[in-house]
Amino acid sequence: DTGVSQDPRHKITKRGQNVTFRCDPISEHNRLYWYRQTLGQGPEFLTYFQNEAQLEKSRLLSDRFSAERPKGSFSTLEIQRTEQGDSAMYLCASSSLRDRGSSSYNSPLHFGNGTRLTVT
Amino acid sequence: QKEVEQNSGPLSVPEGAIASLNCTYSDRGSQSFFWYRQYSGKSPELIMFIYSNGDKEDGRFTAQLNKASQYVSLLIRDSQPSDSATYLCAVKDGANNLFFGTGTRLTVIP
Repeated sequence: DTGVSQDPRHKITKRGQNVTFRCDPISEHNRLYWYRQTLGQGPEFLTYFQNEAQLEKSRLLSDRFSAERPKGSFSTLEIQRTEQGDSAMYLCASSSLRDRGSSSYNSPLHFGNGTRLTVT
Repeated sequence: QKEVEQNSGPLSVPEGAIASLNCTYSDRGSQSFFWYRQYSGKSPELIMFIYSNGDKEDGRFTAQLNKASQYVSLLIRDSQPSDSATYLCAVKDGANNLFFGTGTRLTVIP
C-alpha cells in the first residue's frame, strides 16, 4: 500500500506532556497537509507544506503546535504542553501540485488513517 | 475561515432509494469541490470532485454544481446499507486550501 501513512495510530498522554506525530505522504506528492478533527465535526485545516516550505498556518494553530517537513518528504507535528482540548484525530493528507503551462493543477487530497490523541 | 455548510442530519433513506446530500459555500472564488465519505473511526476517502457547473456522474454517484447559487450536491442512486457513513463536502479556495463542512450522516435502512 503506497498511501499516506501516519504513526502512531493512537496516543494517550497526560496533560502537560509533549507529543510528536509523523506522516509519510504518497511518494510523488509534493504537498502535505495537517488537519484536526473532533467528534461530529469536519476536518479543520491546520497547516500545509509544499515540498519543505510551510506555506500557510491556520489561526487555530497555537504556538504550542509546530510542524516540520525537513527534506520535503515526511512531516512531523509536535504539540507541546498538551491540554485536554487537544484531544482529537490528527489527519495528514497529501496531494500533487504540478504546473501546466500558465496554470497549475492540484490533485485531490488523499488522507492517512490519522493519529487519535487522547489527553488525560 | 471559509464557510462550508451542510445539514448534519441524520438522513435516513430506505435501501434502493436516492439519497440527496446538499452543501453551500461562502467563498464565491472557490473553484474546486469535493465529496468525501467517512466511516466511523476512519479517515475521509474521496468519492468525487467537480470543477464545472452542471452534473458529473460516476457509477451510482452524481455530483451537481451551481456556482451562481454557491451550491453543490451529491446524489447516491440505489442506496445500499454500505453507503451508511458521514459525507463531507469540501471546497478548495484560490490558495489551494481545502475547507470542510461538518458532514451529513447518512443511514441506509435495509
